[in-house]
Amino acid sequence: NAGVTQTPKFQVLKTGQSMTLQCAQDMNHNSMYWYRQDPGMGLRLIYYSASEGTTDKGEVPNGYNVSRLNKREFSLRLESAAPSQTSVYFCASRPWNGGYGYTFGSGTRLTVV
Amino acid sequence: ELKVEQNPLFLSMQEGKNYTIYCNYSTTSDRLYWYRQDPGKSLESLFVLLSNGAVKQEGRLMASLDTKARLSTLHITAAVHDLSATYFCAVDNNNDMRFGAGTRLTVKP
Repeated sequence: NAGVTQTPKFQVLKTGQSMTLQCAQDMNHNSMYWYRQDPGMGLRLIYYSASEGTTDKGEVPNGYNVSRLNKREFSLRLESAAPSQTSVYFCASRPWNGGYGYTFGSGTRLTVV
Repeated sequence: ELKVEQNPLFLSMQEGKNYTIYCNYSTTSDRLYWYRQDPGKSLESLFVLLSNGAVKQEGRLMASLDTKARLSTLHITAAVHDLSATYFCAVDNNNDMRFGAGTRLTVKP
C-alpha cells in the first residue's frame, strides 16, 4: 500500500540545469498536485491536475511545467533551474469528491546552486 | 483570492498546559483541514471539518469550525512532548487547497 511515491528524495542542481520530479499514486485518485514548501510560507500550489488529461496553473507556476502522463503519474519539470527554486517539493493526490483531503508524498528536497 | 492565516506562527508550551491555534480564511469554503508535519517529514492528515459547528477530537487535539466567522481552532489539551511539530490548516479553493503558513509548536518539559 504505497500511497503517493515521489522520486528523487534529494537533488542538487546547478543553475540552468533541468530535471523532472516524478510522482505516482496507487489509490485511483483523480486529482494530483504539486506544491513547494518554503520556510514561513506554508505550501504554495505550483500546478495541479483535476483529472487525467487536464492541468492548470496554481499560485506559483513560473519556471515549471507539468505532465499528467496517465491517471497514476504526474511529473514536474524544471527546464532551467534557478536558486529561487531551492525548496522542498511535495506531490499530493485526492479523490474526485475531495474525500478526506490530500495524501502527500514524502517530498523532494531540491537545492539549486 | 483565498487567503489563509494562522496564528501564532511559533508556540512554545510547557507540558501539561492548554493552548489554541487559530486559522482564519478570507472567502467562503465548506471544508477545512488540519495537518501535522514533523521535521524533515511529509504532512499527515489530522482532521477534516465539513460543516459549520463541526468538532473533531483525537487524543489531546480538538478542532472546530465556524464557517460564519471563517475561523477554525485547534485546541491542545495538557500538551505532551510528542505533540511538538508544525501544524497547518488548509481550506478548499475550487479544485485545490490553500494552506496557512503553519504553526511551529514546541512542547517543553
